[in-house]
Amino acid sequence: GAVVSQHPSRVICKSGTSVKIECRSLDFQATTMFWYRQFPKQSLMLMATSNEGSKATYEQGVEKDKFLINHASLTLSTLTVTSAHPEDSSFYICSATGGSSEKLFFGSGTQLSVL
Amino acid sequence: GNSVTQMEGPVTLSEEAFLTINCTYTATGYPSLFWYVQYPGEGLQLLLKATKADDKGSNKGFEATYRKETTSFHLEKGSVQVSDSAVYFCALSGWTGGTSYGKLTFGQGTILTVHP
Repeated sequence: GAVVSQHPSRVICKSGTSVKIECRSLDFQATTMFWYRQFPKQSLMLMATSNEGSKATYEQGVEKDKFLINHASLTLSTLTVTSAHPEDSSFYICSATGGSSEKLFFGSGTQLSVL
Repeated sequence: GNSVTQMEGPVTLSEEAFLTINCTYTATGYPSLFWYVQYPGEGLQLLLKATKADDKGSNKGFEATYRKETTSFHLEKGSVQVSDSAVYFCALSGWTGGTSYGKLTFGQGTILTVHP
């Protein structure tokens, strides 16, 4: 079946650095990708929706300049956490859909730890 | 806005025990309801879904019925196995059309551990 690959699975970085997380659809064209964030013992919270070739739509309260999303191709979306700080430490997970099918596939997530 | 409340875990059961994980929701209109499962080291996988009231979703021995009158979508399995150990998420989608389909509202997840 369709697979979404997310990398890296875990990253530790110093405060002030930027971190890029990749989300790839391996055997289908992902017209739309979603980025979620999960704090310990809390729900996955939708951060933004990205459509290939256009600007991402961010949910209320999510800083656009902090969390840069690029969806330049039908198989790749990236989330860059800029100037990361300890409060950005969280579990980030992407999902992708091909649009015409009511199927949604999730990546395995990225655990970000900012020291 | 939409919200999903799940039974807090973790839940620990012996093999062949009966499982119930409660899920209630708040939403406008007629949402679709989902259960996702996340096995260790893997992404979320759709377990089952129901798109209208009184629908029953089922898969791999798991069942959940869309109860509009109680705004619930409780997950049940008659006899759990060790391989069912995972994190279970209840979720809703306000619209099944177009790009909004993937905009899910999740519960906080319930960790299930099944012992032999």
